Amino acid sequence: DTAVSQTPKYLVTQMGNDKSIKCEQNLGHDTMYWYKQDSKKFLKIMFSYNNKELIINETVPNRFSPKSPDKAHLNLHINSLELGDSAVYFCASSPVVTGGLNGYTFGSGTRLTVV
Amino acid sequence: DAKTTQPNSMESNEEEPVHLPCNHSTISGTDYIHWYRQLPSQGPEYVIHGLTSNVNNRMASLAIAEDRKSSTLILHRATLRDAAVYYCILFLGGTSYGKLTFGQGTILTVHP
Repeated sequence: DTAVSQTPKYLVTQMGNDKSIKCEQNLGHDTMYWYKQDSKKFLKIMFSYNNKELIINETVPNRFSPKSPDKAHLNLHINSLELGDSAVYFCASSPVVTGGLNGYTFGSGTRLTVV
Repeated sequence: DAKTTQPNSMESNEEEPVHLPCNHSTISGTDYIHWYRQLPSQGPEYVIHGLTSNVNNRMASLAIAEDRKSSTLILHRATLRDAAVYYCILFLGGTSYGKLTFGQGTILTVHP
């Protein structure tokens, strides 16, 4: 199926650990994003990559490091996990980076719980 | 980013039309009006978008006021599956690197 897929779907880990979330899209889109949805359900953009190049970094702590090995993949690595990192993380993609003309396609999310 | 204002919640009965309003009085000429929805435990889903003219697709219709300071998402016949949070978002068009900025949205409850 054509989609944005994220793994894992659920992730429970202890404070201080390092973890990664993977995202892949087979839609042929040029741009990919990471969003965070906290316990209050606010969705906030974290990063945006266009053809493997970082174009948006929304003042995210440098413990969060996105990596895009190719334009179909955007992974999120988190070092030294903290309780406040507990959230649902969504990956998304869009055909082009310039705004307005196209919708985003979101993945189904990764629920991260830090204990 | 230009701001949108939506009611916190709305209710509807199944098979009735639903009109979800959105105010965006500070919209600029290049802002597109996007609507997304998020079903429980799922990622946001694109619904529709427009610039100046009304738009229709298989999911919904978007009615845009002539002055573009408000818009309305219309679900013609609500189903239980349409129960979700609906987000109205202004998206900068043109050559700038745009980004979707989500607000609080409207929680739509559909009664059987």
